[in-house]
Amino acid sequence: SQQGEEDPQALSIQEGENATMNCSYKTSINNLQWYRQNSGRGLVHLILIRSNEREKHSGRLRVTLDTSKKSSSLLITASRAADTASYFCATDDFPNNAGNMLTFGGGTRLMVKP
Amino acid sequence: EADIYQTPRYLVIGTGKKITLECSQTMGHDKMYWYQQDPGMELHLIHYSYGVNSTEKGDLSSESTVSRIRTEHFPLTLESARPSHTSQYLCASSEYLTSGTDTQYFGPGTRLTVL
Repeated sequence: SQQGEEDPQALSIQEGENATMNCSYKTSINNLQWYRQNSGRGLVHLILIRSNEREKHSGRLRVTLDTSKKSSSLLITASRAADTASYFCATDDFPNNAGNMLTFGGGTRLMVKP
Repeated sequence: EADIYQTPRYLVIGTGKKITLECSQTMGHDKMYWYQQDPGMELHLIHYSYGVNSTEKGDLSSESTVSRIRTEHFPLTLESARPSHTSQYLCASSEYLTSGTDTQYFGPGTRLTVL
């Protein structure tokens, strides 16, 4: 069953603008991860935030986690056309669900116009 | 780039054919997974494995089967393909860590079309 739900489902912005995507989940988690998927390709891991962390940065990526609201956000700053992709959140649910399986959300489709 | 490979990348076959989708990884990961994903939609876990001789069904019911005879190899087989099997199939692997962290590495996917 789906754990994470991304919002919005689709986002279109101009190059240089910031893109913010949100993820909500239902149960307690060990950690939450964000993945990127280019059209017709596999997913690539971007960043992981643990349940005891509130914010994490990696290059132009900033992830926040609010466990009280069961939500996370991914911010991509100064977006580029090459950032065009689908972005998925995935949760590693707590307590351990059959060996740390990840549950993926439905994704946000980001289009960055040059 | 992750060292995980899938073949074929694209496959178009007729109804009733038996097919095997190949997945190999050279990272020595114990855990491997198969996901089914319709275009632009969420991923559904259909099979996973903790290691050699271990296979489990995932959340989404699937008529496919898998085997894990070698650590690096996790093929998925459809005995009799149907149009409802048309989808993208993604293979992934991860290290088995007691810390509870499970970052997955994905192959490029196989896009299957059953006519």
